[in-house]
Amino acid sequence: DGGITQSPKYLFRKEGQNVTLSCEQNLNHDAMYWYRQDPGQGLRLIYYSQIVNDFQKGDIAEGYSVSREKKESFPLTVTSAQKNPTAFYLCASTKGQVSNEQFFGPGTRLTVL
Amino acid sequence: DAKTTQPPSMDCAEGRAANLPCNHSTISGNEYVYWYRQIHSQGPQYIIHGLKNNETNEMASLIITEDRKSSTLILPHATLRDTAVYYCIVRVGDTGRRALTFGSGTRLQVQP
Repeated sequence: DGGITQSPKYLFRKEGQNVTLSCEQNLNHDAMYWYRQDPGQGLRLIYYSQIVNDFQKGDIAEGYSVSREKKESFPLTVTSAQKNPTAFYLCASTKGQVSNEQFFGPGTRLTVL
Repeated sequence: DAKTTQPPSMDCAEGRAANLPCNHSTISGNEYVYWYRQIHSQGPQYIIHGLKNNETNEMASLIITEDRKSSTLILPHATLRDTAVYYCIVRVGDTGRRALTFGSGTRLQVQP
């Protein structure tokens, strides 16, 4: 079955450590996105990538970094510079050039101790 | 993207229709209305979208007023599994793949 996978579901890290969240899709989608969600809030865009080897900052990119070396993969690194990293992180992808139907992964809940 | 306004929460009895309203009074002519939902601790799920005509699919119906300033998402026979946060999003169709803007949505609680 096609879809988006994120791993792990739950992640714990000590303060000051960098951590990388995985996002893989086998839908052959060109565009991929990373969102952050805090309790009781909507989603906020961190980074997005429309094609391989290209990505743009979203609304809250500070303290995060991404790469897009392969079409199917869009990992997100939460660096020690991110002041409040504990959150629910969601990866998504979009089907085509003119499409607003985004497909979301199951999310990774990151807790920094 | 036009701003949307949704009630923060709603209740619905199981088996009854759930009608979720959304106001988007500043919508422009080329903007679509999209609905997503998010079940607790899961990723959002696309439900339906429309421009000006009413739309129906296997999940829901979307009713857009004639002036397009508001819309209603209808879940015809709500089940407990429909308990979720529902997001109404307004945006143009040809976006160059810009990301979606999610507000706070409406928390729908389906009661047994």
